[in-house]
Amino acid sequence: GENVEQHPSTLSVQEGDSAVIKCTYSDSASNYFPWYKQELGKRPQLIIDIRSNVGEKKDQRIAVTLNKTAKHFSLHITETQPEDSAVYFCAASGDGGTSYGKLTFGQGTILTVHP
Amino acid sequence: DAEITQSPRHKITETGRQVTLACHQTWNHNNMFWYRQDLGHGLRLIHYSYGVQDTNKGEVSDGYSVSRSNTEDLPLTLESAASSQTSVYFCASSSSRSANTGELFFGEGSRLTVL
Repeated sequence: GENVEQHPSTLSVQEGDSAVIKCTYSDSASNYFPWYKQELGKRPQLIIDIRSNVGEKKDQRIAVTLNKTAKHFSLHITETQPEDSAVYFCAASGDGGTSYGKLTFGQGTILTVHP
Repeated sequence: DAEITQSPRHKITETGRQVTLACHQTWNHNNMFWYRQDLGHGLRLIHYSYGVQDTNKGEVSDGYSVSRSNTEDLPLTLESAASSQTSVYFCASSSSRSANTGELFFGEGSRLTVL
């Protein structure tokens, strides 16, 4: 099955700096790569996702890049703010048949943004 | 508004007891999932269902069972609770495989402690 590795496990930045979280996956058939944000005591929520036919996607201060050849994808947060402090999870899945919606998650990254 | 709710939110039980965690969604989603969240492991898939009467094992299914008798509910049962099953459990749902999105909508989580 799919295996997703996520690094770093913790990341501490100053407000206004950029943050980058990286993930690798093992199954070359995976073609959907979402990122979830989980604030303390809350449920995970989707913040951005990318499909394998796209190399990069941006949404305001966040962006995701995908390198299918190397089987890795990254989350980039620019101009970080204290409210960005949370746990971030990457995930991967197929997009049809028995894999639909069955996400394999990375271990999570605790991001702390210091004012 | 459509929602996905879990109950109980907190549960303390003893080793060997049977425990059932409820999950109810009003999104009318066909796909439902149960994940457990443990520090250092991210979110791991326990069981999932693509529709009524359909259930499938995830990567950590031992000691757990689910049933899907209607679209709205996917209860998770621990037949004989063990201390290793102390965790936070998240239920999630997503729309059918024909939709152009793989977003998972998570419940608030159920914290289970097995003594």
